[in-house]
Amino acid sequence: NAGVMQNPRHLVRRRGQEARLRCSPMKGHSHVYWYRQLPEEGLKFMVYLQKENIIDESGMPKERFSAEFPKEGPSILRIQQVVRGDSAAYFCASSVRPGTGELFFGEGSRLTVL
Amino acid sequence: SQQGEEDPQALSIQEGENATMNCSYKTSINNLQWYRQNSGRGLVHLILIRSNEREKHSGRLRVTLDTSKKSSSLLITASRAADTASYFCATDAINGNQFYFGTGTSLTVIP
Repeated sequence: NAGVMQNPRHLVRRRGQEARLRCSPMKGHSHVYWYRQLPEEGLKFMVYLQKENIIDESGMPKERFSAEFPKEGPSILRIQQVVRGDSAAYFCASSVRPGTGELFFGEGSRLTVL
Repeated sequence: SQQGEEDPQALSIQEGENATMNCSYKTSINNLQWYRQNSGRGLVHLILIRSNEREKHSGRLRVTLDTSKKSSSLLITASRAADTASYFCATDAINGNQFYFGTGTSLTVIP
């Protein structure tokens, strides 16, 4: 049973470009969470999605950031017109159902904005 | 904010000693979990304690929860160099969909 798969593991973008981060949850998991981690800091919640629905996006910046979890395929975190402050590690986690058990994390996607 | 805070921020001990980390949070919770993160890697779940539990053990790990003080502690006994990592507590609010993570404790175990 493969774990949570994230790609790319490393991504370099120039200011103004777009970054697309992908996450395939564990088999049988329909709940996906995205977190951002800055160096030497904890994880900041960004968004929680179920298949085809955004349940909670209270942690997402209002502009340039969007997320989706389509019926088929991985969840995608999209950052438009990236700025240097977007440089961080972005982690995806999945769970069987919310509020009752552990989160399974991917290895993260490390975005560097030049 | 629901986000928890761990202390100390950093802890350095000799192999074989015990390591204790603390976590405080702000609102009522369903569960509290502890995770470990090795440098450059994702988080790995260690242990979950429910709001109606006071103590839980798993191997060399011992977790306590005091809901009246909104705090938890993680004890790692007989530490090993391989325990070197950052440790995070995470809480899920009773009426929320989120897991909130603390700022982490960086543990260094010196061989």
